[in-house]
Amino acid sequence: DAGITQSPRHKVTETGTPVTLRCHQTENHRYMYWYRQDPGHGLRLIHYSYGVKDTDKGEVSDGYSVSRSKTEDFLLTLESATSSQTSVYFCAISGTGFGDTQYFGPGTRLTVL
Amino acid sequence: AQKVTQAQTEISVVEKEDVTLDCVYETRDTTYYLFWYKQPPSGELVFLIRRNSFDEQNEISGRYSWNFQKSTSSFNFTITASQVVDSAVYFCALSEEGGATNKLIFGTGTLLAVQP
Repeated sequence: DAGITQSPRHKVTETGTPVTLRCHQTENHRYMYWYRQDPGHGLRLIHYSYGVKDTDKGEVSDGYSVSRSKTEDFLLTLESATSSQTSVYFCAISGTGFGDTQYFGPGTRLTVL
Repeated sequence: AQKVTQAQTEISVVEKEDVTLDCVYETRDTTYYLFWYKQPPSGELVFLIRRNSFDEQNEISGRYSWNFQKSTSSFNFTITASQVVDSAVYFCALSEEGGATNKLIFGTGTLLAVQP
C-alpha cells in the first residue's frame, strides 16, 4: 500500500471557521490531489499539485485553497467552512501525471454544523 | 464533454452468483485511461485496474475480469462466484490526455451487496 496518511480523520466544526486538512505521503510522488466524495456525485477534484509550490484548480475549487511547501505534504484549507462543505475528503498521489494510477489516502470525514 | 456513467446504483446478489458492473464513458480523446476502484464499508479506496485506450484486451485477475469495448464505450467489470467480502461500492473512472487538471472523472459508483 502507498504510504499516505490524512489528518485529522474526523472533524466537526462550525460554519464560518477555518479548517485545514493535511495529506502526508512517504512515496516521494510528484503529483498530489484533493477530492471530495458526496452521495450521487462520486469523487470530484478540488485542487491538485504537480510539484512543490505548483498547484492548480479542479472542478469544485470554490471555497478551498491549497499549499504545498514540501514534496510530502499537501494542505487543503477551507477559508470559512460552510455546511455545503460537509463531505468526505480524500487525498491521492501519483508518480507521474496523465494516465498514472492515483493511490488514495484513508479519507477525512468533515462535518460543518 | 467527458463523463462516466454507472447506471446501476445498487446490485444485490447471493454468494457464488456472478455479477457484472457496467461502466459507460464519454470522451472526445483518442488517448485515455480507464480505472476501477473498490470502496469497502471501511471507506478506503482500493485500486483494482488501469486500462489504456489502445489496449482492448480483456483482463482476468482471479475472480475478477474486465471487458473493454471501445465500440460501445464500455469498460465492464465482472466478479465470478461472488463472496461476501466483495460487498463494496465500485467506482469506474476516466483520465483524458490533454486536460489541464489531470483529473480522474468518476462515475457515481455501484453499491454491490453480496448476501450469504
